[in-house]
Amino acid sequence: DVKVTQSSRYLVKRTGEKVFLECVQDMDHENMFWYRQDPGLGLRLIYFSYDVKMKEKGDIPEGYSVSREKKERFSLILESASTNQTSMYLCASSPSLGLAGDNEQFFGPGTRLTVL
Amino acid sequence: AQSVTQPDIHITVSEGASLELRCNYSYGATPYLFWYVQSPGQGLQLLLKYFSGDTLVQGIKGFEAEFKRSQSSFNLRKPSVHWSDAAEYFCAVAITGGGNKLTFGTGTQLKVEL
Repeated sequence: DVKVTQSSRYLVKRTGEKVFLECVQDMDHENMFWYRQDPGLGLRLIYFSYDVKMKEKGDIPEGYSVSREKKERFSLILESASTNQTSMYLCASSPSLGLAGDNEQFFGPGTRLTVL
Repeated sequence: AQSVTQPDIHITVSEGASLELRCNYSYGATPYLFWYVQSPGQGLQLLLKYFSGDTLVQGIKGFEAEFKRSQSSFNLRKPSVHWSDAAEYFCAVAITGGGNKLTFGTGTQLKVEL
């Protein structure tokens, strides 16, 4: 079974802190994604990566950065956390097989981040 | 840009009743379409997907969905709902040549009355 793990289920940080959210997948997937999930807004893509050291902005990248130094690990960084970044953060991975676009994304359990 | 609309924010059904969750997409060509389910406190799990062929797609847990190009819809159905189906359901679309990037709808929260 594909497994995507996230370093914390719950995290509480203070405004202005630098926050690292870690995601690890064990299926040698090329693609990795970070989303935030908010009530009434669904999932919104923050950043994604197609390969090691490669990153692309998603729909809401402001206030975030990412790092992918190893294929299995994709980190989301909040340089200076703010209260409006309180949210559920979901990591996902997918293979690059066959037709582009039809590959399932596998999700981690999420990290609920509260910024005080 | 592609978009996905799930017009029902909340739906309540009785256990054993049939279910239909609506999903409409906006995209010029044939998209790749997905339904995911999120149980409380969990990540998302794929129920089913459509990218070509038969427009009626069977998924896990007894769910099915039908792609209707003329209506730009991909509605999710289940003939008899179980209490364990209570969850949030997300429709998503991926576009040709867009890699594996998904655009999600805002979700439908399903409540099942016993």
